[in-house]
Amino acid sequence: EDQVTQSPEALRLQEGESSSLNCSYTVSGLRGLFWYRQDPGKGPEFLFTLYSAGEEKEKERLKATLTKKESFLHITAPKPEDSATYLCAVTGAGSYQLTFGKGTKLSVIP
Amino acid sequence: GAVVSQHPSRVICKSGTSVKIECRSLDFQATTMFWYRQFPKKSLMLMATSNEGSKATYEQGVEKDKFLINHASLTLSTLTVTSAHPEDSSFYICSARGGRGRKEETQYFGPGTRLLVL
Repeated sequence: EDQVTQSPEALRLQEGESSSLNCSYTVSGLRGLFWYRQDPGKGPEFLFTLYSAGEEKEKERLKATLTKKESFLHITAPKPEDSATYLCAVTGAGSYQLTFGKGTKLSVIP
Repeated sequence: GAVVSQHPSRVICKSGTSVKIECRSLDFQATTMFWYRQFPKKSLMLMATSNEGSKATYEQGVEKDKFLINHASLTLSTLTVTSAHPEDSSFYICSARGGRGRKEETQYFGPGTRLLVL
């Protein structure tokens, strides 16, 4: 059974204080690892898809990396508007269904 | 990024009535659409998976006669909550994947529909 564990559950940062969110996973034949951002009362917003160990992707202040066991979402010099819940999910071989972690709630304080 | 829309965004109905929620992929043809339910401060729970032109596959514990899913085209899926009751109140979110020019593994989510049954 595919499993995704995210840590920490919650993270408070001062504006400009860089940090990383962790996503550990076990999956039978990784098809893709996904990062989403979810604001309260809204659907998840797609950020990145990673396919193989060593892959990295960047978008503005966010950078996602992938190893064979975990992924990191690095946030550089965050701003208050980066406050949200960040979700990590995987799909395994033979299925397009997402297995989600419980998310990390990020709060960036001005 | 891809755009997936949902309508309505919010709906309030009386117990016993049926409610239809539409999910549209606006800029790509979706091979598969998914329906999720999310309770406050909880993770998304997959309800069903639907492929265009075929019957939906429901997750264990989801009543297929209660939650009717129709995937009539590559850009439209509908979820009908039949004879809604207060316990059906929730946040319903759809997603879509696939289509030419899109990474087929990636699911793009709609903005969600807040259902309140009185």
